[in-house]
Amino acid sequence: DAEITQSPRHKITETGRQVTLACHQTWNHNNMFWYRQDLGHGLRLIHYSYGVQDTNKGEVSDGYSVSRSNTEDLPLTLESAASSQTSVYFCASSSGIEAFFGQGTRLTVV
Amino acid sequence: QKEVEQNSGPLSVPEGAIASLNCTYSDRGSQSFFWYRQYSGKSPELIMFIYSNGDKEDGRFTAQLNKASQYVSLLIRDSQPSDSATYLCAVSGGGADGLTFGKGTHLIIQP
Repeated sequence: DAEITQSPRHKITETGRQVTLACHQTWNHNNMFWYRQDLGHGLRLIHYSYGVQDTNKGEVSDGYSVSRSNTEDLPLTLESAASSQTSVYFCASSSGIEAFFGQGTRLTVV
Repeated sequence: QKEVEQNSGPLSVPEGAIASLNCTYSDRGSQSFFWYRQYSGKSPELIMFIYSNGDKEDGRFTAQLNKASQYVSLLIRDSQPSDSATYLCAVSGGGADGLTFGKGTHLIIQP
């Protein structure tokens, strides 16, 4: 069965460190997205990609970057982790209609 | 800036009754509308999507869309305790752009 997986599921890092969260999908979807979910804010779009070599900024992109070198993967990098980036991160992929979400990564920046 | 508004709840409904969840959106250009269910500590899962004005039914779930009023709703008939979750309304401009989510409504079905 096709799926979308995120790793790690949980991570604790220190302020200022670079962190990369992985997202891998086997749906063969062109569209991939990264969201963060915080209490009181709901899901907010960080970055998204329509295909290989394409990346776009979302609503809350500052401090984050993504790269798309193949269809299956869209890693999310926090260049210099800040406490404000403590959150639950969800990756999603879509064929253009419905989006399927990964299990989420809980990131804590201390 | 697209905005999607939902009452955060909690909305408490007796088992077997109809649960009614509402959502309004700001962007008149929005074309696609989605309802996701999210259990605590889990990822969102799609329940229904709707594109056209009117009602769309799928089992116990009915999505309603009124583009003139910029209003989307989800009705859950014969509510079950397993329906207790947070329900997220999401809108899209259509095609490949990312979804804009509301903050969700916490639904509690009381046995």
